[in-house]
Amino acid sequence: EAQVTQNPRYLITVTGKKLTVTCSQNMNHEYMSWYRQDPGLGLRQIYYSMNVEVTDKGDVPEGYKVSRKEKRNFPLILESPSPNQTSLYFCASSLAGGGNTEAFFGQGTRLTVV
Amino acid sequence: GENVEQHPSTLSVQEGDSAVIKCTYSDSASNYFPWYKQELGKGPQLIIDIRSNVGEKKDQRIAVTLNKTAKHFSLHITETQPEDSAVYFCAASVGAAGNKLTFGGGTRVLVKP
Repeated sequence: EAQVTQNPRYLITVTGKKLTVTCSQNMNHEYMSWYRQDPGLGLRQIYYSMNVEVTDKGDVPEGYKVSRKEKRNFPLILESPSPNQTSLYFCASSLAGGGNTEAFFGQGTRLTVV
Repeated sequence: GENVEQHPSTLSVQEGDSAVIKCTYSDSASNYFPWYKQELGKGPQLIIDIRSNVGEKKDQRIAVTLNKTAKHFSLHITETQPEDSAVYFCAASVGAAGNKLTFGGGTRVLVKP
């Protein structure tokens, strides 16, 4: 089954404690991205990757890091989480460029930073 | 950069009635306009999209219209059913490889039986 898998689904952490949210896709997609979803603001792109070892900032990259060492994996790293990073996070992948073809989303990770 | 505004933020309709969600965009170069549906506890899923070389597209009970001159596009759902209850997002993109989607703020649709 074609899918994007995120882990964990729910996470509560304390300010300053490094965490990683994993994302994996099994569709051999080149393009992957991370979004955060906040009420009334829709989905805002954090980082994206057009291929292995190629990553770039989206609209709200502050406080986040990503890496793309393998085509299927695109982890999101919060080195020092803060309460304003409490949000619902989605990983997405698409066959070609992010704005040209269907984006497939993971189930989401609800992060709470206290 | 691109800015997409979506209205209304919430929409309550009676089962069987129609629902309309409207979006406006700012970048005249945008030419790809998808709509995503997000059910409770799930990630968004593409339901229909339209490219700027067409003005309307239909798929069963859903349709999307595009007015490039006015820079707005709309989602129409006819004969609404309880399973249409969800959050809907519009998005816009220049549509070339590497260009990102810019999403609207979302519309929470509730279909009352």
